[in-house]
Amino acid sequence: DQQVKQNSPSLSVQEGRISILNCDYTNSMFDYFLWYKKYPAEGPTFLISISSIKDKNEDGRFTVFLNKSAKHLSLHIVPSQPGDSAVYFCAAPLGNDMRFGAGTRLTVKP
Amino acid sequence: NAGVTQTPKFRILKIGQSMTLQCTQDMNHNYMYWYRQDPGMGLKLIYYSVGAGITDKGEVPNGYNVSRSTTEDFPLRLELAAPSQTSVYFCASRRSRVAYNEQFFGPGTRLTVL
Repeated sequence: DQQVKQNSPSLSVQEGRISILNCDYTNSMFDYFLWYKKYPAEGPTFLISISSIKDKNEDGRFTVFLNKSAKHLSLHIVPSQPGDSAVYFCAAPLGNDMRFGAGTRLTVKP
Repeated sequence: NAGVTQTPKFRILKIGQSMTLQCTQDMNHNYMYWYRQDPGMGLKLIYYSVGAGITDKGEVPNGYNVSRSTTEDFPLRLELAAPSQTSVYFCASRRSRVAYNEQFFGPGTRLTVL
């Protein structure tokens, strides 16, 4: 039962433009969401998070938006840089566990 | 502060062999996890531990065993390797289950079973 879904396996954008990565969820019990970034041959690392009491959280070039009514969140990267090329996972804590989406591979072209 | 370390980085096993994947964290975290990641899939939880001496099954525990004798170490045991266990394995730790406590991951172990 995949409760966190990332329906776009890949995304390619030009350097300097905006990258928008999307995530949908089905479990109304989720009240916190995290984004992780993963480079090849490395483990995922935490990027940014948002509580369900907010609809936006910003950290430098990264902004996460949450639409609770649509059960949808998105990660915006502006401006995108080649070093942002990685796989991005959306995740939500559930009890002792963390539920992950399948990930979106972002490629930022110079 | 090394964070979460995993050994080995790569391993090839024959069907029926056994092995232990090692995981150590130096952040004094109570919670530790083992995930597997198959191509095109998200991370699936195999086992987790909320403290020394306490472990519990995750979503895909069959074919694996764990132990947690210390806060630092959380080894994952494969007893009879099968091709279906070919995957990348990630160990993670977390301070607590409070939502804003993110997980810290090791670099992964790429396992191939032939």
